[in-house]
Amino acid sequence: QSALTQPPSASGSPGQSVTISCTGTSSDIGGYNYVSWYQQHPGKAPKLLIYEVTRRSSGVPDRFSGSKSGNTASLTVSGLQTEDEADYYCNSYAGNNTPCVFGGGTKLTVL
Amino acid sequence: QVQLQESGPGLVKPSETLSLTCTVSGGSISSHFWSWIRQPPGKGLEWIGYIFYSGGTTYNPSLKSRVTISVDMSKSQFSLKLSSVTAADTAVYYCARVTGGYSYGYWGQGTLVTVSS
Repeated sequence: QSALTQPPSASGSPGQSVTISCTGTSSDIGGYNYVSWYQQHPGKAPKLLIYEVTRRSSGVPDRFSGSKSGNTASLTVSGLQTEDEADYYCNSYAGNNTPCVFGGGTKLTVL
Repeated sequence: QVQLQESGPGLVKPSETLSLTCTVSGGSISSHFWSWIRQPPGKGLEWIGYIFYSGGTTYNPSLKSRVTISVDMSKSQFSLKLSSVTAADTAVYYCARVTGGYSYGYWGQGTLVTVSS
């Protein structure tokens, strides 16, 4: 069981927007502004998209955006493209004893 | 551009110790945290632990009793040892570098380790 809760799947049509949620607790997401998001295509290593809740990693299109409210973080993908079809993972810092917790992942399908 | 490359046996017998090395190129190993993360086949990511270049470590509490991460600055490498492995430790093992805000901005390509007799 993952420490952070993500929906197992999400979908949208090309050009649409989709939002993926990531729910934690006050000990992780709610306690720190250290949420990151990763995109993983099959057989590939994860790629950093968003860090510190809202900051895009270098080279990441501005179609990808992050936000946080309370204990829940969200990743929004706007203007969906076929290449956005992938697994997405959230991650949060959770203190010195457990500096890193991941969500279970969300499979995004572009219909 | 920083690059990371995992190396080590792809097959380990149950009860033995899994050993992997990550070689860092294109940048210094100094002044950074270096991490191991794994992904069982068809499942999500699990953080194993990280090490600061000077040697300080933090491990996932669920694996702490079996994990050792070490660093060799002279070789620009850091290593993972996981003892008493079982089939549940079968996974793709990634090495990664901690970047801004405790994120993981650089990853190796990953190496599949299968635990089987």
